[in-house]
This record gives sequence, C-alpha cells and structure tokens, in this order.
Amino acid sequence: NAGVTQTPKFRILKIGQSMTLQCAQDMNHNYMYWYRQDPGMGLKLIYYSVGAGITDKGEVPNGYNVSRSTTEDFPLRLELAAPSQTSVYFCASSYGGGPDTGELFFGEGSRLTVL
Amino acid sequence: QKEVEQNSGPLSVPEGAIASLNCTYSDRGSQSFFWYRQYSGKSPELIMFIYSNGDKEDGRFTAQLNKASQYVSLLIRDSQPSDSATYLCAVTRGSARQLTFGSGTQLTVLP
Repeated sequence: NAGVTQTPKFRILKIGQSMTLQCAQDMNHNYMYWYRQDPGMGLKLIYYSVGAGITDKGEVPNGYNVSRSTTEDFPLRLELAAPSQTSVYFCASSYGGGPDTGELFFGEGSRLTVL
Repeated sequence: QKEVEQNSGPLSVPEGAIASLNCTYSDRGSQSFFWYRQYSGKSPELIMFIYSNGDKEDGRFTAQLNKASQYVSLLIRDSQPSDSATYLCAVTRGSARQLTFGSGTQLTVLP
C-alpha cells in the first residue's frame, strides 16, 4: 500500500507557465482533496472531489483546475503560474463516512516555486 | 472571525510538563474535530480526533471538546523533545467532510 503519492516533489516554474501536479491513492477512497500551505500558515482547501466525475471548489480555487476521471487519480492543474502560487501543495484522501471517520491521509507534498 | 483559530505560539514547555493547545471554531455545524502534528518540511499526521463532547484519551494525548463553547483542546502529558512540532487543529463541515484548518501552534519541548 503506497497510500497517497504526489509528483513532482519539487518544481520551479516561470511566471505564465503551466503545469500539473499529480496525485494518486490506492486505498479506494472516494474523497480526495488538494490543499496549499503557505509558510507559517495552516492548510487551505483548493478543490475537492467526492467521487469520479465530481469536483467542487474549496476556499482558494482561483488559478487552479482539477479533474477526477478515476477513483485513484486527482490531478491539479495550474494555468498561467503566478508568484502568489508559490506554496507547498498537499493532496489528501479520505474514506468519508460518519463523524467517527473522515481521517485525511496526506501525500508527502509538492513544493512549487514560481519565479 | 476566522473559522478555526489557534494560539499561534510559539509555545515552549520543559520536558515532562503538560502542554496545552487550544482551538476555537465559529461554525456550530462542525461535526468532527481533529488534531494533526506537522514536523518541519513534512506532511501533517493525525494524532487524534473527537466528535462527542467531553474528553478522549490516547496514550499521552487527551482531546477535549466543548461544543457549547465551540472549543477544542489538546493536552500532551509528559512532553518529550520529539513532540516539538506544529500542531494543527481542524474541523469538518460540509457534505464532503472537508477539513478547515487553523494556522497551527508551534510547540517546543525543551530538554
């Protein structure tokens, strides 16, 4: 069981470039999430998905897009990168369910710098 | 008012002492409450969660929830230097049980 796998771990982009952060999970979780974490701050939700074909915006979706064609994969697309998108990105998944479940399993993170 | 607020710290305690971390939340519809630990440069890892009023104990860790006061806390007994990390409080809300995080409290346990 690999859990949640993110690639790449590090990336430097120039302003205006585009890229996709990949995320895959092998736990058969329905729920998947993308968070960003700026230095010294908590995590902010970018997008989430409750199942294949279903995605929705979180707190900070501007400048990003997602898709969920399979249960396993949840890529995050950055279009026209800006310095404000310099951050650490975490993908996470969850089984969902009742109030006694819902633990998030995190990937190792992708550190993105936009210059 | 922020949705989830934590004392930003930093908080320093001597080894063996009790560390107390506090969190308040604004949405009374919040369902479950989580404490994550995050070491520098690493991803968050779950310490424990609570969803009923009262205390929940797991080893050296105790989570306390008071929904009437919209308050959740984490106590770490017999603090160890390895407990030095940032502690993130998070609450679930919404149909997808998405987590909203506080900004974290940095804890340092001094040998």
